Amino acid sequence: DTGVSQDPRHKITKRGQNVTFRCDPISEHNRLYWYRQTLGQGPEFLTYFQNEAQLEKSRLLSDRFSAERPKGSFSTLEIQRTEQGDSAMYLCASSFRRSGLNYGYTFGSGTRLTVV
Amino acid sequence: KNEVEQSPQNLTAQEGEFITINCSYSVGISALHWLQQHPGGGIVSLFMLSSGKKKHGRLIATINIQEKHSSLHITASHPRDSAVYICAVPRIQGAQKLVFGQGTRLTINP
Repeated sequence: DTGVSQDPRHKITKRGQNVTFRCDPISEHNRLYWYRQTLGQGPEFLTYFQNEAQLEKSRLLSDRFSAERPKGSFSTLEIQRTEQGDSAMYLCASSFRRSGLNYGYTFGSGTRLTVV
Repeated sequence: KNEVEQSPQNLTAQEGEFITINCSYSVGISALHWLQQHPGGGIVSLFMLSSGKKKHGRLIATINIQEKHSSLHITASHPRDSAVYICAVPRIQGAQKLVFGQGTRLTINP
């Protein structure tokens, strides 16, 4: 297991198109997080999963955004009808939660989205 | 006031200098993360610590839970250490989603 993988690394899309990103967490990790980072800013929380259940969504996640983790393994983040303001780095992280603590919090390299 | 504050925001130093980056936080935490991000790149976890000190190579991280303060030190700095260093804390309750500092942009000149 080489860590958290994200695909694609870069995506350029035209405004109004739909895009989907994939995140493969570390296999034994039961928690998966999505963050968004705009230029010059720190990452901001979007949503997270405990196994296959999506337990929290940020107000940043408009109804054009949807995330899934159907089998509790990989996750997808879809953005419909992309807008220029969606241009950002989308980061995935995973961890193993046990006894109230998160272990092995690991980030992927991110998917950089550019909406033109 | 941000929940996680880092200082300085920008730091330029000469190769070989000892570097210190500070992080103060206002929320209750279970652990604190130090992360590294190279320009245009993803984030790499450097340390997660809940007490005392951790060392990895030339990097040292310390935390004082009572004072809600952590420091990241780099000894014998090198140009390849140039990156943005980010402090992040998970909230104790619920998701333990990370709250990030604004980052410190470090530039090491040869």
